[in-house]
Amino acid sequence: ELKVEQNPLFLSMQEGKNYTIYCNYSTTSDRLYWYRQDPGKSLESLFVLLSNGAVKQEGRLMASLDTKARLSTLHITAAVHDLSATYFCAVVSIQGAQKLVFGQGTRLTINP
Amino acid sequence: NAGVTQTPKFRILKIGQSMTLQCTQDMNHNYMYWYRQDPGMGLKLIYYSVGAGITDKGEVPNGYNVSRSTTEDFPLRLELAAPSQTSVYFCASSFQGTNTEAFFGQGTRLTVV
Repeated sequence: ELKVEQNPLFLSMQEGKNYTIYCNYSTTSDRLYWYRQDPGKSLESLFVLLSNGAVKQEGRLMASLDTKARLSTLHITAAVHDLSATYFCAVVSIQGAQKLVFGQGTRLTINP
Repeated sequence: NAGVTQTPKFRILKIGQSMTLQCTQDMNHNYMYWYRQDPGMGLKLIYYSVGAGITDKGEVPNGYNVSRSTTEDFPLRLELAAPSQTSVYFCASSFQGTNTEAFFGQGTRLTVV
């Protein structure tokens, strides 16, 4: 059974700093998604990573996927307050092709 | 372009009551999903559908039923509400299953008392 773990679960950081959120998963998969959720809101798709070594960047966020290590990272560069949100990774379960398995989420707070 | 629309946004149910959460999408997506999100947790898949007339169970289907009579609509039915079903429910759709990104509705916050 596919398990997805994120760390840290809570992260408080200052504006201008860099940090990385980690997403580990337990069984083979080659597709991974990152989502953002603002408090009380729905999920917004950030990145789709479809192969080993995939790297995607949008503004201050960069995501990467290492399928051999079963690890994805979401790197935040020079954080700004607007990036405060909860970030989820979701991994495709190859045993059930239509299923995304979500991590617990990382609640990110960026302080001025 | 409305995307994925869920109704209602909020609902309070008494134990044992029934209700249907509505979900409709206007993107002509084949795949639709129902998830629940408990406080401080990730999303868990309840049911999904790969097309009209086809549905299948996800991780946590007990206490729920679904139907998919049209491409656009995917209602979720709670027959006998229990406090354990207090959660936020999200409907989502995608064009080609997990090969394409899923678009989520705004969520329904359900409280069972």
